[in-house]
Amino acid sequence: GAGVSQSPSNKVTEKGKDVELRCDPISGHTALYWYRQSLGQGLEFLIYFQGNSAPDKSGLPSDRFSAERTGGSVSTLTIQRTQQEDSAVYLCASSSQGFGEPSGANVLTFGAGSRLTVL
Amino acid sequence: RKEVEQDPGPFNVPEGATVAFNCTYSNSASQSFFWYRQDCRKEPKLLMSVYSSGNEDGRFTAQLNRASQYISLLIRDSKLSDSATYLCVVGEYGNKLVFGAGTILRVKS
Repeated sequence: GAGVSQSPSNKVTEKGKDVELRCDPISGHTALYWYRQSLGQGLEFLIYFQGNSAPDKSGLPSDRFSAERTGGSVSTLTIQRTQQEDSAVYLCASSSQGFGEPSGANVLTFGAGSRLTVL
Repeated sequence: RKEVEQDPGPFNVPEGATVAFNCTYSNSASQSFFWYRQDCRKEPKLLMSVYSSGNEDGRFTAQLNRASQYISLLIRDSKLSDSATYLCVVGEYGNKLVFGAGTILRVKS
């Protein structure tokens, strides 16, 4: 598509439930990132996919969080047994591969985010 | 120590003022640098990349000092529409991009 698409845009769930958040990146972009942003806070890196390489999962806050990217395109972020502290906006971004001196290739395009509220 | 640090502000300036933000980063092996802008309750959007030699885009000037590990953003002739949060972003080896917490700018008439 023309931009990064995320769904759902809003999700309200009860503590202890599992949730799935979906990201459809820009066609042809090999890199896909998940970040989360709590109210009034900066972006917290969660996970990064690059092509067929093993994902960088170093930002996942606990083993309740997992993500996959099927066919190098759509990604799903799953949060199991949600807790109230998981409430945040989950942002997905994609970029074409880039490295070193900025050439525009490593520019991130963000989706509008999925706002998760855990009651 | 945070990987990318910014003064949270807010910076309150009148229209037409010049304002500058700094950002420091801890990883000396960082490879790429950017400034993003985030409007309230919106997703971040690229403002400009930061080149080693420094670069300018209209009223915006970005500088990189690798020796001191900081990046700066200068905004001249501030407009009301410049009010936003400015995010410093540092790219590490392997394309991991780390965001600072942002600096809030409020331009008043």
